Amino acid sequence: DVVLTQTPPTLSATIGQSVSISCRSSQSLLHSNGNTYLHWLLQRPGQSPQLLIYSVSRLESGVPNRFSGSGSGTDFTLKISGVEAEDLGVYYCVQGTHAPNTFGAGTKLELK
Amino acid sequence: QVQLTESGPGLVHPSETLSLTCTVSGFSLTGYSVYWVRQPSGKGLEWMGRMRYNGDTSYNSALKSRLSISRDTSKNQVFLKMNSLQTDDTGTYYCTRGGGVDYWGQGVMVTVSS
Repeated sequence: DVVLTQTPPTLSATIGQSVSISCRSSQSLLHSNGNTYLHWLLQRPGQSPQLLIYSVSRLESGVPNRFSGSGSGTDFTLKISGVEAEDLGVYYCVQGTHAPNTFGAGTKLELK
Repeated sequence: QVQLTESGPGLVHPSETLSLTCTVSGFSLTGYSVYWVRQPSGKGLEWMGRMRYNGDTSYNSALKSRLSISRDTSKNQVFLKMNSLQTDDTGTYYCTRGGGVDYWGQGVMVTVSS
């Protein structure tokens, strides 16, 4: 199975600070159809996960544009340009290129 | 609008079988896959298996011997059955739409305890 390694496991930030989360895959996530199925989720405390970014860099409808995704192959990054209080929670990367789908272990974003 | 709602028992005894239902609305099960994902308390997310739009299923290899996923398209429902439950199966169980995981249910908390 594909292993997704997220770093850092915990991130402390102040409101307005920009932060980045890394997701590294044990295999290339480039599908034979040319797409890369690497997505980012946010799980706020007590809530279900929600999709933020799909296919590396595409912003899900309704998600603020302070969130952005980048990367290719095995290395991917989620960036938050100006953290807001509502951004606190656990961020997960998830891949759908190779069966079975797998998740990263999560990065917890806390207030400093 | 798109909705997924999980339902099932909150408490299951060790060695028994867990049966969960995911009822969907706002999309067709013949057009989208539905995935089951679980989350042990305080831990991360684990993909369990999926019901594809064409009726095919696939499972996490670690759970495959205990897990079965089926559906009733006329009722817009996807079912999960997992046998031989143990205490480490305790957690929240979610259904989610498609590989893009764009919509999630609210989750159902399952406790395995005698």
